[in-house]
Amino acid sequence: RKEVEQDPGPFNVPEGATVAFNCTYSNSASQSFFWYRQDCRKEPKLLMSVYSSGNEDGRFTAQLNRASQYISLLIRDSKLSDSATYLCVGVTGTASKLTFGTGTRLQVTL
Amino acid sequence: EPEVTQTPSHQVTQMGQEVILRCVPISNHLYFYWYRQILGQKVEFLVSFYNNEISEKSEIFDDQFSVERPDGSNFTLKIRSTKLEDSAMYFCASKRQVEAFFGQGTRLTVV
Repeated sequence: RKEVEQDPGPFNVPEGATVAFNCTYSNSASQSFFWYRQDCRKEPKLLMSVYSSGNEDGRFTAQLNRASQYISLLIRDSKLSDSATYLCVGVTGTASKLTFGTGTRLQVTL
Repeated sequence: EPEVTQTPSHQVTQMGQEVILRCVPISNHLYFYWYRQILGQKVEFLVSFYNNEISEKSEIFDDQFSVERPDGSNFTLKIRSTKLEDSAMYFCASKRQVEAFFGQGTRLTVV
């Protein structure tokens, strides 16, 4: 079983739509989680941290459910510029290694 | 805003040659990482470095790979004898405590 699993998509949504991505993880020892965004052939860029209490940053909301080992990202009012691959990341171990999911591709259209 | 910088942005090398990829992490960061991403695939962990030593490495990081932090500023990844399958984007990352930041990557092409 993969450590971090995501639906690869693509998710094709119209501008203004709300879209949700899910991610599951297998390592219950994972300490923290993040969502990164990656544009084509670019580096991953930190989007937001994920907490059990939920984390909201503008149009973006992230949630962690440790009991279900499940992480989510909600994007409201999608913009064309949100088109990218969204990477779910878990952190484990004393070295705080980041483990990436395969990413979910989002395409926002007019 | 401080950022992780990597050089070169592109490197083309012949199979069997040695390459050194360079990174300058953010100055007050404590943890340093190398990741790679083969075109169309996921970002894969190679190695982590803390307190001047390797703290964890993946199966990919075999004897052909090594890392150094020679001067307290640069963080390098060396591949001794490159193979075709080493062609990928190599990302350096650093963090102080919680959030990791990535450099823009070096695209390595082995021919």
